[in-house]
Amino acid sequence: NAGVTQTPKFQVLKTGQSMTLQCAQDMNHNSMYWYRQDPGMGLRLIYYSASEGTTDKGEVPNGYNVSRLNKREFSLRLESAAPSQTSVYFCASTGSSGRAPSSYEQYFGPGTRLTVT
Amino acid sequence: QKEVEQNSGPLSVPEGAIASLNCTYSDRVSQSFFWYRQYSGKSPELIMSIYSNGDKEDGRFTAQLNKASQYVSLLIRDSQPSDSATYLCAVNRVTGGYQKVTFGTGTKLQVIP
Repeated sequence: NAGVTQTPKFQVLKTGQSMTLQCAQDMNHNSMYWYRQDPGMGLRLIYYSASEGTTDKGEVPNGYNVSRLNKREFSLRLESAAPSQTSVYFCASTGSSGRAPSSYEQYFGPGTRLTVT
Repeated sequence: QKEVEQNSGPLSVPEGAIASLNCTYSDRVSQSFFWYRQYSGKSPELIMSIYSNGDKEDGRFTAQLNKASQYVSLLIRDSQPSDSATYLCAVNRVTGGYQKVTFGTGTKLQVIP
């Protein structure tokens, strides 16, 4: 049981290049999320997918697109990278903890450290 | 007002002491409450979940929840240098059919040997 996996771990892009960050979870969770984390800003939600086939914008969606490929996989695409997108990107998934009614827990992948020059 | 507020620290405690981390939240309909530990350069790791008022203990960790005061805390007993990390408070509620998880910006804990 690998939990949440992300690729790549590190990436350097030039301004204007595109790339896709991959995420997969094997916990059979319905909801998946993409966050970015910057010093002093905490975790900010970029996009989320409440269930397979649905995606919605979070707090900072500009410059990003997402695809929920199936229940396991949720990818994040940068179409034209900008230096302001230099950050650490985390994928997460949420599922029932089973410990209490309506109790859910969120688990994170290891992150992708992206630098845009 | 931030939805989840934490003191950024750093909070310095000597090895073996009790570390007390605090968090307040603004959304009264929040249903689940969490503490994550994040080591430098790593991803957040879920260490405690609490869903009802009172205390929940797990090893050296105790989470405390007071919904009336909208307050969550984490106590770490017998603090160890390996506990040095940033601790993120998070709250969760169902909104629009999905689990909205809101994080504080974290409290940096330093345990001094």
